[in-house]
Amino acid sequence: LAKTTQPISMDSYEGQEVNITCSHNNIATNDYITWYQQFPSQGPRFIIQGYKTKVTNEVASLFIPADRKSSTLSLPRVSLSDTAVYYCLVGDRTSGTYKYIFGTGTRLKVLA
Amino acid sequence: NAGVTQTPKFQVLKTGQSMTLQCAQDMNHNSMYWYRQDPGMGLRLIYYSASEGTTDKGEVPNGYNVSRLNKREFSLRLESAAPSQTSVYFCASRRLAGVSTDTQYFGPGTRLTVL
Repeated sequence: LAKTTQPISMDSYEGQEVNITCSHNNIATNDYITWYQQFPSQGPRFIIQGYKTKVTNEVASLFIPADRKSSTLSLPRVSLSDTAVYYCLVGDRTSGTYKYIFGTGTRLKVLA
Repeated sequence: NAGVTQTPKFQVLKTGQSMTLQCAQDMNHNSMYWYRQDPGMGLRLIYYSASEGTTDKGEVPNGYNVSRLNKREFSLRLESAAPSQTSVYFCASRRLAGVSTDTQYFGPGTRLTVL
């Protein structure tokens, strides 16, 4: 299973765009990249998933370069409520035995 | 549609006691997972069940057992609790592999303290 590396923490101000990069050098051909968000005392919540290039949904964008060895989660115009821990995971979603490996995540603090 | 539910929400045990954490999902998901999260750390996979009738070890299975009771329910048992098992335990379920966007859905967690 591919191991991921993310910055431990980041600070930002309200209204700014935040980019969190994840490194996954040994990503396999069938692996997808998934990001989760976790608030204190809650379970993680799915944000976005992608395989290559760019994926956008109502809350975030995910940028994946051609070599897929890294990915960047982009949160547009963050607010105080975006303060959370963000996890990057990689793995083969087509396998019924797929096991997610969570790293320590990136602790994002949004300041007023 | 409650999603993933876990009981109890909080539990305090003495060293050597046993207990079972319950998890149920009502989304007709095939796969279910148990994780633990220690303070300031990411989640670590304890056991998972890819489908009804199967279970397999994750990263940190020692000291735990699981039962996939049916498609809806997946329980985690601590036979002889130790202080090192003090943690927050999350259950999760996952849709059938191969759908366009595959994600895990997590329960609210069980906060366990072993004295």
